[in-house]
Amino acid sequence: KAGVTQTPRYLIKTRGQQVTLSCSPISGHRSVSWYQQTPGQGLQFLFEYFSETQRNKGNFPGRFSGRQFSNSRSEMNVSTLELGDSALYLCASSLVGGRSYNEQFFGPGTRLTVL
Amino acid sequence: SQQGEEDPQALSIQEGENATMNCSYKTSINNLQWYRQNSGRGLVHLILIRSNEREKHSGRLRVTLDTSKKSSSLLITASRAADTASYFCATDEAGTGNQFYFGTGTSLTVIP
Repeated sequence: KAGVTQTPRYLIKTRGQQVTLSCSPISGHRSVSWYQQTPGQGLQFLFEYFSETQRNKGNFPGRFSGRQFSNSRSEMNVSTLELGDSALYLCASSLVGGRSYNEQFFGPGTRLTVL
Repeated sequence: SQQGEEDPQALSIQEGENATMNCSYKTSINNLQWYRQNSGRGLVHLILIRSNEREKHSGRLRVTLDTSKKSSSLLITASRAADTASYFCATDEAGTGNQFYFGTGTSLTVIP
């Protein structure tokens, strides 16, 4: 089975712009979670989608949003980019999600740089 | 928030030695997992231990969990240069489902 894929792998944007990142989960996985990783804050949970619905949300401003399509692929969008949004954005998929534990499989990440 | 903390932040050992890293967390959990991350890449799942388990083994990895102290340890035996990476613990707070909280990580360097 192919692993979790994320596109693009690298992205450079300027302040004020908006960006969309994409994540394709492992075939059959219905839960997709997004994380932001920065040197200062570490890995922080953004949100989780399951069956096209946002199930869990971390403590991020409304500039960060996401969605999930019927094929379980997910996108996250960041509007009005700030310098502090520079980070590695990681996507993880799992079989079910929700209250049942399932191992999360991570993608390689998208490195976003905001200038 | 539930974010855990790993200790030490950085660890440097010789190949063949054992490496021990610790994780502390704040609230009741369902599970605790350990992940490895090679420089700037995605995370690789190493091992999961449930809240009702005390010890688990997987190859050269040994994980312990003490829920009374809200802490876990990861032991890597007979370390190899390829074990050089950052190691994170992740917990899912009881009742929050699939929302995971990651610790700050331990950077392990294994010197050949």
